[in-house]
Amino acid sequence: KAGVTQTPRYLIKTRGQQVTLSCSPISGHRSVSWYQQTPGQGLQFLFEYFSETQRNKGNFPGRFSGRQFSNSRSEMNVSTLELGDSALYLCASSPRQNTGELFFGEGSRLTVL
Amino acid sequence: QQQVKQSPQSLIVQKGGISIINCAYENTAFDYFPWYQQFPGKGPALLIAIRPDVSEKKEGRFTISFNKSAKQFSLHIMDSQPGDSATYFCAALGNNKLIFGTGTRLQVFP
Repeated sequence: KAGVTQTPRYLIKTRGQQVTLSCSPISGHRSVSWYQQTPGQGLQFLFEYFSETQRNKGNFPGRFSGRQFSNSRSEMNVSTLELGDSALYLCASSPRQNTGELFFGEGSRLTVL
Repeated sequence: QQQVKQSPQSLIVQKGGISIINCAYENTAFDYFPWYQQFPGKGPALLIAIRPDVSEKKEGRFTISFNKSAKQFSLHIMDSQPGDSATYFCAALGNNKLIFGTGTRLQVFP
């Protein structure tokens, strides 16, 4: 089985721009979660989607949004980028929601200049 | 409190030694406690996990010790190997969220 695939792997943006990150979960997995990873902060939960519905949301501003498609693929969008948004954005999938057993992709590293 | 506090931030161990990473939590609603291992350039991968009705779980060289009354749990890596060098995250599941600690960078020297 193919693992979780995230694209793009690396990207550089400037302040004020927006960015869209994509995640393809493991086949058969219907839950997709997004995390932001920064040095010193660890992994911060952004949101979880299950069956195209956002089931849970972390403490991030409204500039961070996401969606899930009928094939379970997910995208997250960050608008009006700030320098502090520079981070590794990780997507994780699982066959069910509300589980501690997540399968992570390798992440999309965003640098905001 | 939706926090999981992890220590130490970094750890250096000699090959063959024991690595110990500690985590503490406040929220009694947490009911599942996994540990994840992350190598540079890779996403975290589930290593081992425990539920609060068990005080210890062992898988090979990796052991989780869980103290429910103290709201603490720890990861012990026996006979640490250079290949164990990675960042380790504890986590806790509760209220439909998986909350991670801030990570411990483990370096095992030959």
